[in-house]
Amino acid sequence: KQEVTQIPAALSVPEGENLVLNCSFTDSAIYNLQWFRQDPGKGLTSLLLIQSSQREQTSGRLNASLDKSSGRSTLYIAASQPGDSATYLCAVEDQAGTALIFGKGTTLSVSS
Amino acid sequence: GAVVSQHPSRVICKSGTSVKIECRSLDFQATTMFWYRQFPKQSLMLMATSNEGSKATYEQGVEKDKFLINHASLTLSTLTVTSAHPEDSSFYICSARTGGTEAFFGQGTRLTVV
Repeated sequence: KQEVTQIPAALSVPEGENLVLNCSFTDSAIYNLQWFRQDPGKGLTSLLLIQSSQREQTSGRLNASLDKSSGRSTLYIAASQPGDSATYLCAVEDQAGTALIFGKGTTLSVSS
Repeated sequence: GAVVSQHPSRVICKSGTSVKIECRSLDFQATTMFWYRQFPKQSLMLMATSNEGSKATYEQGVEKDKFLINHASLTLSTLTVTSAHPEDSSFYICSARTGGTEAFFGQGTRLTVV
């Protein structure tokens, strides 16, 4: 059964720092991997989706990489801002059309 | 991206009553919808998968008679929490997709049972 782990569980950084969030999954045979942002009490905002054939995706200050063979993904946030404070969730889709399997998330706090 | 609307965003109900949560795909036809629940500081846990016109498939440990899911059309799925109890208080989120395309999420529903 696929399991998704995110490290660290929480992270506090000063504004302007670059940071990396980690995600690992136990079964490397995935269809795609997605990173989400969740603000307290809110739904999910999709940040980046990486297909299994891709190695990375970029959007603005965000860069997500995927190493399928080792079961790892990282989300790199450049020049962090207080508005980046949220919980970041990693999720994998094992087969096309199936439900996403989520990690517990990393709660990020960026101080000004 | 496509829009999935979930309603209500918050609901408070008395113990023993039933609550219905709606999930609508506004600009696409959702052949498959997923229902998740999230406890505080926990991840989203899949409750059930529903395909339009057929019965939902529930994950192990989820009571199908308690959490009734109806996916009667390609744009609407409903989750009814029957005879709600305080332990059912949680954050419920739906997700919708067409075939193997990207899944889109609703805004979530905060259910509080008092």
